[in-house]
Amino acid sequence: DVKVTQSSRYLVKRTGEKVFLECVQDMDHENMFWYRQDPGLGLRLIYFSYDVKMKEKGDIPEGYSVSREKKERFSLILESASTNQTSMYLCASSLWSGGQPQHFGDGTRLSIL
Amino acid sequence: DQQVKQNSPSLSVQEGRISILNCDYTNSMFDYFLWYKKYPAEGPTFLISISSIKDKNEDGRFTVFLNKSAKHLSLHIVPSQPGDSAVYFCAASGSRLTFGEGTQLTVNP
Repeated sequence: DVKVTQSSRYLVKRTGEKVFLECVQDMDHENMFWYRQDPGLGLRLIYFSYDVKMKEKGDIPEGYSVSREKKERFSLILESASTNQTSMYLCASSLWSGGQPQHFGDGTRLSIL
Repeated sequence: DQQVKQNSPSLSVQEGRISILNCDYTNSMFDYFLWYKKYPAEGPTFLISISSIKDKNEDGRFTVFLNKSAKHLSLHIVPSQPGDSAVYFCAASGSRLTFGEGTQLTVNP
């Protein structure tokens, strides 16, 4: 069965901290994605990666960076956390890009105080 | 610029009746459309999809309809069950997925 695992379900950090969100998939998928979900805004794409060491900006990349050193792992980094980055963060993976359904992790609820 | 819109934040229906969730899009280059379901504290799960070359796709109680001329798609759930209560997201695909805002469906026993 398809499995996308996010390292933390809940996380509380302070403003200015550097925050790492980790995601691992066990399906040998090429593509991995980071979204944030906010009420009334749906899922917005932050960054995605279609191969190891490759990354592309999504719709809202400001304040974030990513790392993909291994195929199965995709990390989201908040360089200096701010309160407006309090959100639900969702990681996803897919075999191909485009219309291929993406498989999601259960999310990390991040609070920045 | 919101390219995929779900104009109804919420929908409430009785068990056994039909649920109709709607989605509009603006980009005529989208070639694939998907619906996801999301329960609280879980990630979205893929439900059903449709290619732009079709106008209907059915999977059990779930049917998706696509009207390309109106740039509109809808998800029909019949009969609705209390376990269908969740947030439903539509998504459209070009080079990547673009999601709508979501609709909270509540099915009352």
